[in-house]
Amino acid sequence: GAVVSQHPSRVICKSGTSVKIECRSLDFQATTMFWYRQFPKQSLMLMATSNEGSKATYEQGVEKDKFLINHASLTLSTLTVTSAHPEDSSFYICSARRFGGDEQYFGPGTRLTVT
Amino acid sequence: AQKVTQAQTEISVVEKEDVTLDCVYETRDTTYYLFWYKQPPSGELVFLIRRNSFDEQNEISGRYSWNFQKSTSSFNFTITASQVVDSAVYFCALSEYGYGGATNKLIFGTGTLLAVQP
Repeated sequence: GAVVSQHPSRVICKSGTSVKIECRSLDFQATTMFWYRQFPKQSLMLMATSNEGSKATYEQGVEKDKFLINHASLTLSTLTVTSAHPEDSSFYICSARRFGGDEQYFGPGTRLTVT
Repeated sequence: AQKVTQAQTEISVVEKEDVTLDCVYETRDTTYYLFWYKQPPSGELVFLIRRNSFDEQNEISGRYSWNFQKSTSSFNFTITASQVVDSAVYFCALSEYGYGGATNKLIFGTGTLLAVQP
């Protein structure tokens, strides 16, 4: 149990376009989902925390108008990178947590390349 | 502020050697969680262990063992008899102990790249 999927696994888009990444908890209800970003050969940094039915809480320095997060159901959260630029190219990983859970379950990640 | 430091950026060992990965953390919280994750070249994070701050009992699981020392704020990870398949980046992470024991955002260290040579 506790499987999290992400779609797509890889995406290449042109500069100026928007890209949506989905994060799904397949066999449990995720009241909280976290979105992390990892640049090549670097660590993972939290971008935002989303609770189902609420607005996401963004970390300092993350533009909420550029990285739109929606957590409309207990099994799905989406991250939309709007007007993507080459510097947004990165590995985006989501994690999901049950209510009060002491474990975060990670998705396999989405590699975004903006040309 | 919370911080995790992994001073070893890269380690190279020969198969069957033992290797210890160091992790030092900083937090003002009295209760917290510590984690180790493995990230192979595919990129997917593989959960290895979670420790509560109030449980300092060290653990052995197969070839893996962990040494949690609250007095020195360290949470080191040892692989015994390393294998080529152990080659990956290993991340140590810290989380506050949230409402009801929930884990909140993870603060990751910079990672240690372990290369096990045949």
